[in-house]
Amino acid sequence: DIVMTQSPDSLAVSLGGRATINCKSSRSVLFSSKDYLAWYQQKAGQPPKLLISWASTRESGVPDRFSGSGSGTDFTLTISDLQAEDVAVYYCHQYYSTPLNTFGQGTKLEIK
Amino acid sequence: EVQLVESGGDLVQPGRSLRLSCTASGFIFDDFAMHWVRQAPGKGLEWVSGITWNGATVGYADSVKGRFTISRDNARNSLYLQMNSLRDEDTALYYCAKAWSGSATPFDTWGQGTLVTVSS
Repeated sequence: DIVMTQSPDSLAVSLGGRATINCKSSRSVLFSSKDYLAWYQQKAGQPPKLLISWASTRESGVPDRFSGSGSGTDFTLTISDLQAEDVAVYYCHQYYSTPLNTFGQGTKLEIK
Repeated sequence: EVQLVESGGDLVQPGRSLRLSCTASGFIFDDFAMHWVRQAPGKGLEWVSGITWNGATVGYADSVKGRFTISRDNARNSLYLQMNSLRDEDTALYYCAKAWSGSATPFDTWGQGTLVTVSS
């Protein structure tokens, strides 16, 4: 099974600052020039929301402050110009080995 | 509007069974793979099981393999999770999630979840 490991487990960033969340997979999730990696945002009391698919493609309606990068086994979610509404837990997700999927353990983002 | 509504969660004793349902609306159900994802209280997301659009291929997390069975009824726009031999560690909010397409894609729509509590 592919294991997804996020770092850090939590971080606090000032309003207007930049948050960087890392995700490492135990095996490459790259196939046919596409990385099978997504990022989700989960706010308190809500289901997760898909932010980014294929490692770097923002979903419709997601602010361009959110960006994804990386390939193969190492990925990054960057949130620029942090807003109060960005407080949430963020998860990476590999769907390369579908129907077997795995999530990272989550990264809790707070305001400093 | 694309919508997923889970039901069937309950308080059950260890060793008992429970069947969860997810009713879909607002999209062509049999075009998409579907999944169950759970979240234990205060913990992260754990993928539980998935099924392709036609039910031909299914998968399970090691933690539930041999105890849980996923199925779907495309005529009823419904997804199911039969949970047997329940354990304390199965206590969680169970989400139904729709894949972006019929196969290896992210989950673009989630329900609000149904709570399963396993306790004596």
